[in-house]
Amino acid sequence: DSGVTQTPKHLITATGQRVTLRCSPRSGDLSVYWYQQSLDQGLQFLIQYYNGEERAKGNILERFSAQQFPDLHSELNLSSLELGDSALYFCASSAIRGYTEAFFGQGTRLTVV
Amino acid sequence: DQQVKQNSPSLSVQEGRISILNCDYTNSMFDYFLWYKKYPAEGPTFLISISSIKDKNEDGRFTVFLNKSAKHLSLHIVPSQPGDSAVYFCAASAGGGADGLTFGKGTHLIIQP
Repeated sequence: DSGVTQTPKHLITATGQRVTLRCSPRSGDLSVYWYQQSLDQGLQFLIQYYNGEERAKGNILERFSAQQFPDLHSELNLSSLELGDSALYFCASSAIRGYTEAFFGQGTRLTVV
Repeated sequence: DQQVKQNSPSLSVQEGRISILNCDYTNSMFDYFLWYKKYPAEGPTFLISISSIKDKNEDGRFTVFLNKSAKHLSLHIVPSQPGDSAVYFCAASAGGGADGLTFGKGTHLIIQP
C-alpha cells in the first residue's frame, strides 16, 4: 500500500460528459502529480500541484483541469469527454526533500463510451 | 519526441538467471533516474533510483547502472524470481526529485520457471 488513495477505481461514462477523479496523497506529502496511461503508452505527465498551487504542467488538454485543496487532496476534472480519453489516470505524491521518488495510487480506469 | 526510450517491449528470462532491462534518454538535463515496477491493476511501485553523480546503485537483488556519456541506464535483477514478472518503467527528471517525471513506455518482464 503506497498510502496514496484514488477514487473511484473504475468509471464508465458517455462522450461529452464531465467527470471528477479524486486523490488523497500520502500523509505529509505536499506535492501531487497526475499522470495518464493510455493503451500501450507510458505514463504521460499531466500536471503537478504543490501545497495548493500549480507547479508544473505537462501534456494536459484544455478540457482537463485540476486543483489541490487546503487539506492537500486533489481532484482532476475531465470535461467534454471523448473516446480517446479512455485511459488509466494515476495520481502520485511526494515529499520534496531533494532526490525523492513519487508514490503512486492504484489508478482510476476511465472508459468513455 | 520521446525523451526516455525503452526499446524492448518485452523480455523473457529464465528463473534464477539475470534480467537486464535497458533504458536510453536524450535529454542531457536529466539528473535523476528511477525504475518503477507495475503489476496489472495496480499503480507503479518505486523500485530503485540513481542520481547523475553516481554510476551504480544497489539494493538487494536490484542494481541500476548509469552511463552518462552514452545516456543509457540499465536495471539488473539477480537472481530473477517469478514475482519479478511485471512491467518495468524507466523514468527521469531534471532538477532532482520527482518533479515532472518523464517515463518510458515500459518493458514487460516475464520470468519463465
